[in-house]
Amino acid sequence: NAGVTQTPKFQVLKTGQSMTLQCAQDMNHEYMSWYRQDPGMGLRLIHYSVGAGITDQGEVPNGYNVSRSTTEDFPLRLLSAAPSQTSVYFCASRTYPDSSYNSPLHFGNGTRLTVT
Amino acid sequence: EDQVTQSPEALRLQEGESSSLNCSYTVSGLRGLFWYRQDPGKGPEFLFTLYSAGEEKEKERLKATLTKKESFLHITAPKPEDSATYLCAVQTNTGNQFYFGTGTSLTVIP
Repeated sequence: NAGVTQTPKFQVLKTGQSMTLQCAQDMNHEYMSWYRQDPGMGLRLIHYSVGAGITDQGEVPNGYNVSRSTTEDFPLRLLSAAPSQTSVYFCASRTYPDSSYNSPLHFGNGTRLTVT
Repeated sequence: EDQVTQSPEALRLQEGESSSLNCSYTVSGLRGLFWYRQDPGKGPEFLFTLYSAGEEKEKERLKATLTKKESFLHITAPKPEDSATYLCAVQTNTGNQFYFGTGTSLTVIP
């Protein structure tokens, strides 16, 4: 049972380059999300999705695009990378809607991105 | 504004020395409070969910408690393998977003 898989684990980009961070889950979770983690800032929500074809913005969406064409995959796109996007990116998924109370987020192991 | 604050930022304990980590929150309506453990280079790993004031959950040397304004993660007789960063997060009644604290970095010295 793989859970949430993120690729790549590490990436170095030059300013202005574009790339896609991949996220896949095999738990049949409708809810998927992207966070960035910076020192002293905690995890901050970038975008999330509650099902195929449905996406919404989180706390820090600028500079990032997402789409959700399947239940399993939720890629995050950086169209023109900036040094401020240097961070560790985590994908997380959970059951949705909740059958009773809340189900927790299940996280991947992250992508460490450096933009020079 | 919804806010989650964790203290202390860092904690060093001798093996066997019990202590508590704090997570205080200010949210419009609490739907659930979550505790996670994060090891270096890894994603957060789920520990507990708490829903209402007075609730307690236990797992091995860890016990989480919840009041109307804060949650505590009590660590009893810690071992070096308990060294990690502990994160708390809240989900509010108003949406699908989770708000995370900045974490407590715990080091347990043999």
